Amino acid sequence: GAVVSQHPSWVICKSGTSVKIECRSLDFQATTMFWYRQFPKQSLMLMATSNEGSKATYEQGVEKDKFLINHASLTLSTLTVTSAHPEDSSFYICSASRGLAGSNEQFFGPGTRLTVL
Amino acid sequence: GQNIDQPTEMTATEGAIVQINCTYQTSGFNGLFWYQQHAGEAPTFLSYNVLDGLEEKGRFSSFLSRSKGYSYLLLKELQMKDSASYLCAVKDSNYQLIWGAGTKLIIKP
Repeated sequence: GAVVSQHPSWVICKSGTSVKIECRSLDFQATTMFWYRQFPKQSLMLMATSNEGSKATYEQGVEKDKFLINHASLTLSTLTVTSAHPEDSSFYICSASRGLAGSNEQFFGPGTRLTVL
Repeated sequence: GQNIDQPTEMTATEGAIVQINCTYQTSGFNGLFWYQQHAGEAPTFLSYNVLDGLEEKGRFSSFLSRSKGYSYLLLKELQMKDSASYLCAVKDSNYQLIWGAGTKLIIKP
């Protein structure tokens, strides 16, 4: 159990376009979902935390108008990279958690590799 | 500030044992996680410690000392497929997961 999917797994787009990435918890209800970005050979960088039905909490330095997060249901969160630029090329990973309790691990999606030309 | 330290890279031999250390300084503590991440893939959960002591799970064990702000991940009978990055993460008082930069483990035949 506790499977998280992401779609698409990879995407190539032109500079200036917008890209939407979906994150779904397939067999559990995720009260909290997280969006991470990871550049090559670097660690995970948390971008934002979202709870179903409320606005996402963005980490310092992450532009909320550029990275739009919608957490419409307990099983779906979306990240839209608006007006993408080559520097936005990265590995975007979502994770989902059943709750805040200490033992609640985050279950990770397989990631989406974004390349902006 | 909040900080998690782990070695950047370690090398070990197939069949041997390796210990990856993690020290942390966080505002509060609600558990420590170890994740494994193969290149180009998402992290996968390995272990969770909230009380002091050793948690064993097959070839992998994780140890925690809260008073010392210290944990280690012990990998036994190393296999080539264990070559990966190992991420230490701590949940702080706000239940936010603070991530270490990861330790890249290279296994040699």
